[in-house]
Amino acid sequence: DQQVKQNSPSLSVQEGRISILNCDYTNSMFDYFLWYKKYPAEGPTFLISISSIKDKNEDGRFTVFLNKSAKHLSLHIVPSQPGDSAVYFCAASNNYGQNFVFGPGTRLSVLP
Amino acid sequence: DTGVSQNPRHKITKRGQNVTFRCDPISEHNRLYWYRQTLGQGPEFLTYFQNEAQLEKSRLLSDRFSAERPKGSFSTLEIQRTEQGDSAMYLCASSRGTVRQETQYFGPGTRLLVL
Repeated sequence: DQQVKQNSPSLSVQEGRISILNCDYTNSMFDYFLWYKKYPAEGPTFLISISSIKDKNEDGRFTVFLNKSAKHLSLHIVPSQPGDSAVYFCAASNNYGQNFVFGPGTRLSVLP
Repeated sequence: DTGVSQNPRHKITKRGQNVTFRCDPISEHNRLYWYRQTLGQGPEFLTYFQNEAQLEKSRLLSDRFSAERPKGSFSTLEIQRTEQGDSAMYLCASSRGTVRQETQYFGPGTRLLVL
């Protein structure tokens, strides 16, 4: 049973345009959400997070939106750069555990 | 570099052999986590430590797996009698452990191949 879903295995975007990566979750107890970026042969690198008390968090070119009623979050990257090409993982945690539940990832390719 | 480090980076072993991986967390991080990642999937939680205490273990952690963090600093993950299904990337992460909602910082991982 996949509690965190990323239904798009891959996404291609032109350099300079907006990249939108989506994530859906099923566990209503999740209250903290993060996005990680992963390059080949490296561990995941933290990108941005959001608590369930907020609906938006922004950090430079990266913005995460949370829609609790829809159990949906999205990551917006504007403008997209070739160096953003990587696999992006959505992760969530809840009140009762310290471990994160990860989605399967979306591979983003930013084309020059 | 003061990030999370893991050794070895790669390990090839034959089925039935034992392997041990090491993780050194970021200094002063109280929490340490182990995850496993297979191809096309996100990391899956295995276990975590608060200082030297192992507080949670996933059902993925069969009795062939054991993890320790003897002095609350580095941690080891041992797999006994390895099976081909154990082939995966083993990731370690750490966090401060001071508040409930925290970022976990990951190491580069150890890639295990069981022949």
